[in-house]
Amino acid sequence: AQSVAQPEDQVNVAEGNPLTVKCTYSVSGNPYLFWYVQYPNRGLQFLLKYITGDNLVKGSYGFEAEFNKSQTSFHLKKPSALVSDSALYFCAVRSPSGGYQKVTFGTGTKLQVIP
Amino acid sequence: GAVVSQHPSWVICKSGTSVKIECRSLDFQATTMFWYRQFPKQSLMLMATSNEGSKATYEQGVEKDKFLINHASLTLSTLTVTSAHPEDSSFYICSASHTSGSLISTDTQYFGPGTRLTVL
Repeated sequence: AQSVAQPEDQVNVAEGNPLTVKCTYSVSGNPYLFWYVQYPNRGLQFLLKYITGDNLVKGSYGFEAEFNKSQTSFHLKKPSALVSDSALYFCAVRSPSGGYQKVTFGTGTKLQVIP
Repeated sequence: GAVVSQHPSWVICKSGTSVKIECRSLDFQATTMFWYRQFPKQSLMLMATSNEGSKATYEQGVEKDKFLINHASLTLSTLTVTSAHPEDSSFYICSASHTSGSLISTDTQYFGPGTRLTVL
């Protein structure tokens, strides 16, 4: 069974500082990995994904994530946080095998950027 | 591109009534749509996977007779909560994966804005 762990319920960072939101995964085979962001009372917005290729993936709004196979991690990063980045962030994983597209989401990490 | 809409954005209904939620892919064709439920401060729980022209696949523990899903076209899926009760109150979110010609893009789901259901 596939699973995702986001060990931090909340991350606080000062505006302008770099931010990291952690994610580790467990899946059979090579994973498909995703990051989504959710603003209050809204659906999820796609940020970025890793399917194959370069381990450093760049996405929307200046976010990037690094795939580390040995540590089974896919941490989300941004060099300089903005107050508008404050939201709920979800990491997700999917196995590439089979035709069923079930994606497993982590429990989410609330990012609070402090002015 | 890849915009998904949901209607209504919020609904309040009386216990025992049925509520229909629509999920539309606006600028792409979606072979597969997904319905999720999200409780406050919790992650998304997949309820069912909806494939155009066929029966939905429900996750374990989800009552298919209570949560009726129809995916009649490549751009529309509906979720009907039948005989709603207060415990059905939740935030329901749909997502869609798009088909591009003969290449199925199976890697990214695009989410709708969600529907807040409150059953009194």
